[in-house]
Amino acid sequence: GAVVSQHPSWVICKSGTSVKIECRSLDFQATTMFWYRQFPKQSLMLMATSNEGSKATYEQGVEKDKFLINHASLTLSTLTVTSAHPEDSSFYICSAHGQLLSYEQYFGPGTRLTVT
Amino acid sequence: EDQVTQSPEALRLQEGESSSLNCSYTVSGLRGLFWYRQDPGKGPEFLFTLYSAGEEKEKERLKATLTKKESFLHITAPKPEDSATYLCAVRADSSYKLIFGSGTRLLVRP
Repeated sequence: GAVVSQHPSWVICKSGTSVKIECRSLDFQATTMFWYRQFPKQSLMLMATSNEGSKATYEQGVEKDKFLINHASLTLSTLTVTSAHPEDSSFYICSAHGQLLSYEQYFGPGTRLTVT
Repeated sequence: EDQVTQSPEALRLQEGESSSLNCSYTVSGLRGLFWYRQDPGKGPEFLFTLYSAGEEKEKERLKATLTKKESFLHITAPKPEDSATYLCAVRADSSYKLIFGSGTRLLVRP
């Protein structure tokens, strides 16, 4: 149990385009989902927290107009990187937790974004 | 300010050589300390949650312990497949957010 999926697992896009990453909780209802980014050999950096049906809460320094988060249901959250630039290239990971899981966070497999 | 510090940054062990990883934390009110394993190019895999000082949890060759200031992840007789980055994170009173340490990269040589 407690499986989180992400799609796509990797994506290459051209500078100036937008890309959408999906995060799904497969076997539980996720009251809250989190989005992280991770640079090589560094730890996870929280970008934003999203609750189903409400606006996401962004961490300081994260541009909310650039990283659009939608949490439309208890099993799906999406992250859209708008007008991507090469510096947005990174490993993006989502996590989810639910009340029935004692608020432990379970992570997706990650999405590798490369902007050319 | 809530903070998590992991040591060592990297650790090389021979197969069968037991050791411990450290996670020191300062947090306003601990609501849980979490250990994760992360393989290269993958998302973190949940290992343990500890909630109160004195608590211990085990899974195969791994044992996690917790005091009021730090947590240890003990690895007994490690195997090469235990090679990974081990991440420690804490959840503070004020939110559901996790604060991560920088991780310990473990390499177990055969």
